[in-house]
Formats: sequence, C-alpha cells, structure tokens
Amino acid sequence: QVQLQESGPGLVKPSQTLSLTCTVSGGSITRGGYYWSWIRQFPGKGLEWIGYIYYSGSPYYNPSLKSRVTISIDTSKNSFSLKLTSVTAADTAVYFCAGEDRTGIPPPGTPYWGQGTLVTVSS
Amino acid sequence: DIQMTQSPSSLSASVGDRVTITCRASRGISNYLAWFQQKPGKAPKSLIYAVSSLQSGVPSKFSGSGSGTDFTLTISNLQPEDVATYYCQQYYNYPLTFGGGTKVEIK
Repeated sequence: QVQLQESGPGLVKPSQTLSLTCTVSGGSITRGGYYWSWIRQFPGKGLEWIGYIYYSGSPYYNPSLKSRVTISIDTSKNSFSLKLTSVTAADTAVYFCAGEDRTGIPPPGTPYWGQGTLVTVSS
Repeated sequence: DIQMTQSPSSLSASVGDRVTITCRASRGISNYLAWFQQKPGKAPKSLIYAVSSLQSGVPSKFSGSGSGTDFTLTISNLQPEDVATYYCQQYYNYPLTFGGGTKVEIK
C-alpha cells in the first residue's frame, strides 16, 4: 500500500520560501502512470491543487501559482519536494502531498494522500 | 479552470436517513469525477472515482451517479461515523479543482 509523509518547517516568515518534502513508501516513485502532487487546504477548508510531477516528465503547475512554485523529484530517495517563494499570510494552509493514479480505464483519481502538514506564514 | 459547485454547503439528517449531495461542473468533464470524505484533522479520503466506482474498501452505502456536468453522491443509512465534510473533484483537466465541500451532521 502506497503511503506518503510530508516533512518540513511549520513556520515560515513572510517573503521567504516554503519548502516541503514528501517521502513515498510502499511503492516506487517511478511507477508508470503515477503523478505526484501537492494540494493545500486553507483554514476556511477550501482545497487548492498546486501541481504535479511525473518521474520522467516536466512538472505541471496551477497557473495561479506558476510564477512562485517549483516541484522536483528525487528518485534515489523516493521523494518529491515543493518550493513556494515569496510567501504571504495567504499561503498559510495545510499542505498535502498526494499520489494520482492515471492507470486504468477509467483512472482511479487520487487515492493516496499524506496526513498533511500545517504551514503558517508569520513573522 | 473548471469550476465545481457543490450543494448544499451543509446538511443535518437523522441516523438511518439517506442523504444526497450534488456537484455541478462549469463544463463537461466526461466521467472524471471523484468524491472525497474528510474528517477533522485528517486528509481527504477517496470514496468514489469515475462518477460511480467505489475505491477499495469503501462500503456500498456510498454511491455516485451523474454525467456530463451534474453529479450526485448518496449516502444510505446515515451513521454517526459518516459525519464529515464531503468534496467533489474533477480530474478531467488540469488544474484539478474541488467543490467547496458539504458538511454532513447528525440531527
């Protein structure tokens, strides 16, 4: 069973860079058809998809965040990472890493989620 | 982006009731529609994918239907453990987008 675990600082100062890592266990991050995503949930509970990375392709980002986001992958560590630059209080949220399964017809969607980590942007 | 609109935003029902949540997409998404259940302090849990297919281990009291732009999640025989917020999500196009959520409570 694929499991994901986020790690990183829970407090980031305004204008700095938020950095999180997601470690995948129970399966290889290079498994075909699996897209590794970051999703965040604001205090008011709305969910926003940030972007994905595939082990053999370029990442894809939500256009609303594209200028500030970088998602990268480290196959040797079976992990992927998120960097969000120039953060403000509006970036305060619970950040989830997730695994989207695009195999099969129809594809099963996003069955794999980390537990989430709260990141607060404050001085 | 495809906008997902859920209704109602909250509902209260009695134990044993059948409840229905609706989700409308701003344009056609074929059958690329999923439903998630989220309990306080937990990650969303995938219940249903492709409109009506249950994820492994999800009880058959949950069911989904719909096509094109209008979709429904039905919970039969509501129990206290079903108290949660439910979200729809389209995965037809990137960026993936979610509905605003429906909070289900017991009356």
